[in-house]
Order: sequence, then structure tokens, then C-alpha cells
Amino acid sequence: SAVISQKPSRDICQRGTSLTIQCQVDSQVTMMFWYRQQPGQSLTLIATANQGSEATYESGFVIDKFPISRPNLTFSTLTVSNMSPEDSSIYLCSDRRQGYHGYTFGSGTRLTVV
Amino acid sequence: QKEVEQDPGPLSVPEGAIVSLNCTYSNSAFQYFMWYRQYSRKGPELLMYTYSSGNKEDGRFTAQVDKSSKYISLFIRDSQPSDSATYLCAGTQGGSEKLVFGKGTKLTVNP
Repeated sequence: SAVISQKPSRDICQRGTSLTIQCQVDSQVTMMFWYRQQPGQSLTLIATANQGSEATYESGFVIDKFPISRPNLTFSTLTVSNMSPEDSSIYLCSDRRQGYHGYTFGSGTRLTVV
Repeated sequence: QKEVEQDPGPLSVPEGAIVSLNCTYSNSAFQYFMWYRQYSRKGPELLMYTYSSGNKEDGRFTAQVDKSSKYISLFIRDSQPSDSATYLCAGTQGGSEKLVFGKGTKLTVNP
């Protein structure tokens, strides 16, 4: 089965700072996705990251706050910028191998902003 | 109205019970439906995947979709303590890459 490695697994950060989360997949994929999972809330798509193009952001998420890089077909990063306690959440990356049954998720990054 | 509504529970059942997990959705364009299982401190893993209306069975798990009522269900037979996890339903429409999730139902199966 597909393997997605995500790091860091957790972090505690000061407000006003930024954190970059890395996501490495075990084979080349066209599409990678970044999700946010806030306590008591639905898993919510932040953006879709395709290699060689700008990420596509969902409503309510902006590039200045969540810049994404996708330098190649196996790697992506999400940066959470100028953090506030409201950004405390689990952030997950995902990829799609084939078909709608092909989404795989990483284990997530548990972020706490103090 | 949320696109996908799911009772967050928690739900606690004895081992061997039949578990019924349910979601409703509002987007009539949804054609693909999934159930994910998420263990504590892990990412979601795909459990069941169905297209349009109907039933799909895989071992102890059965997924049902009723598009007329916009209702999706997951049944777990002979539940085991290892089934204790949060179950997330999700839907998407053809041509879209975006999965829309419910909030998840936390299930505990007691030995």
C-alpha cells in the first residue's frame, strides 16, 4: 500500500512564528493535497498541490497564510505562517494514486500554538 | 447546512455487536462515497468505497448509499475491540478532486 511520510509529527510553536511541514510519498504522484483537522471539526481541504504549478486553494484559505511548495512528484511542503492559537490543529497531507479509492493520508502533524 | 453531516457520537458498544454509522449529505452531485477509519494519532485509512447508490460488502463491513434520501451508512458486524476508532464518511462529485468529510464518529468496542 502507499506510504506517506510526514514530519514533524508534532510541534509546539510560539505565536507569530511559522512552521513548515514536509510530506514525502513513496512513488511519483501528480496530485497531493493538504488538509486541516481541527478538534470537533471535519477534515477540511486547504489546497491541492500539483507539480509545476501554483497550488489551488479552497475558500477560506490563502497563499500568504499557507504557502505550499511542490518541487517534484514525491515531495511537498505546507507552511503555516504568522501563527496564532487558532492555527492549532492537525495538518495532514494526502495523495491520490488512481481513482477515487486511491487517496492515502499521512499520519499528520499535530500543531499547538501558544 | 454542512455538505456532509455525521453524528460525532461517541458510540460505545459491546464486542460482537452490530454497529451502524450514518451520514447525510446535501450535494446531489456527489457520486462517490467513502468511509475512512482513523485510529488515534494516525491518518485516515480508506475502509470502503462506493459509487452511486447500492450496497458494497467487504468482510464484516457493509457500506450502503441511498442517493434518493442522500443517506450513507456503514455497518460493522461482529464488532471487535480493534474496530475502536473514529469513522469518517466522505463524498465527492465526478470530476472533482475534493473530498468533503463529515466530522467523524468515535466508536469504542468494549471487550
